[in-house]
Amino acid sequence: GAGVSQSPRYKVTKRGQDVTLRCDPISSHATLYWYQQALGQGPEFLTYFNYEAQPDKSGLPSDRFSAERPEGSISTLTIQRTEQRDSAMYRCASSPRGVAGQETQYFGPGTRLLVL
Amino acid sequence: GQQVMQIPQYQHVQEGEDFTTYCNSSTTLSNIQWYKQRPGGHPVFLIQLVKSGEVKKQKRLTFQFGEAKKNSSLHITATQTTDVGTYFCAISSYGKLTFGQGTILTVHP
Repeated sequence: GAGVSQSPRYKVTKRGQDVTLRCDPISSHATLYWYQQALGQGPEFLTYFNYEAQPDKSGLPSDRFSAERPEGSISTLTIQRTEQRDSAMYRCASSPRGVAGQETQYFGPGTRLLVL
Repeated sequence: GQQVMQIPQYQHVQEGEDFTTYCNSSTTLSNIQWYKQRPGGHPVFLIQLVKSGEVKKQKRLTFQFGEAKKNSSLHITATQTTDVGTYFCAISSYGKLTFGQGTILTVHP
């Protein structure tokens, strides 16, 4: 596609509900990243994928957070039993090559999550 | 892990004035990237620096990487209203971008 797309753009949910966020990277981009961005802060790394492999999930805040990229293209980020502190912008980014290194990352518009 | 401190947090300038934001680290960095995020937008890559003492220019923007590779700066000459936004530095390491806190630039016409 022309750019990284994410859906939904906004999600309001009640505490305790599960949510799933979707990212569609730039086509043919091998590497996909998830970040969490609080208001007024820089994005914070959550996890990344090389194709379908997930080499690093060190940034996931708790075991309530999980991500998948089963076919090496579209990815989902699932938050189980949401808490109010999960409210943030969730950003996806992708980069071209198969080995994550010092590459340009192309960010999507983000999903703003509000947990009531 | 590696961290970068970015200053100032806010900068208000009159259109036509210059602007500089700084990133500092206590450890030697292998690289540094700069991103711009417009209000309501997403981070957009500007440039990457990898060499000691490197200076790169993009029109009115000048990027520097310190000789010791522990600091970097972004300088905008003669700001315009289109320059408003948050400027982030970031370190890239095996897929993980670690961002500075960002500098919010406002430009008064």
